[in-house]
Amino acid sequence: GNSVTQMEGPVTLSEEAFLTINCTYTATGYPSLFWYVQYPGEGLQLLLKATKADDKGSNKGFEATYRKETTSFHLEKGSVQVSDSAVYFCAPVPGTYKYIFGTGTRLKVLA
Amino acid sequence: GAVVSQHPSWVICKSGTSVKIECRSLDFQATTMFWYRQFPKQSLMLMATSNEGSKATYEQGVEKDKFLINHASLTLSTLTVTSAHPEDSSFYICGQVGIGGADTQYFGPGTRLTVL
Repeated sequence: GNSVTQMEGPVTLSEEAFLTINCTYTATGYPSLFWYVQYPGEGLQLLLKATKADDKGSNKGFEATYRKETTSFHLEKGSVQVSDSAVYFCAPVPGTYKYIFGTGTRLKVLA
Repeated sequence: GAVVSQHPSWVICKSGTSVKIECRSLDFQATTMFWYRQFPKQSLMLMATSNEGSKATYEQGVEKDKFLINHASLTLSTLTVTSAHPEDSSFYICGQVGIGGADTQYFGPGTRLTVL
């Protein structure tokens, strides 16, 4: 069946550190891939997406590349800020358009 | 991106009462809406999918008579938790698809339900 695996958190980094949050998935067909961010007490906000192999989604300094050969969509940011502290969800979306959410990775950025 | 609102943002009710949660798309027409619940520090669990004008499709294990979904229009969907009990306490989030591609959902800010 379809599934997604994210690295467990919390991930704790100092401000300006490099961030990687791993995400691998199994899905039928050719899913679109998404990263969403959830700030405390809020809903999910779309961070970035990629719809085909080798596509790179980017937004607010975050990037992720659709790697079909490794079925991965790792999230990266070169220099994190305290305001990036949140929970990040990876979500492959197969043709049924039903989202498959990972467990989420909590990021804490310390000043 | 698209703007989705939920109302109320939080609600506290007594056991046995019913609670209605509204989800509105403010700047687009949502052809499909999704309802999720999220337990503390956990992922989102899809409860049901609804298309405007038709009955909702519930995920396995979700009681359709307990969680009533009405997709009244292209801008409004409601979730009613009937005869709520403490175990129904959770964070409920709606997601909508309309613009940005059929694969892109936009989520409401969530409603925190606490049943005493």
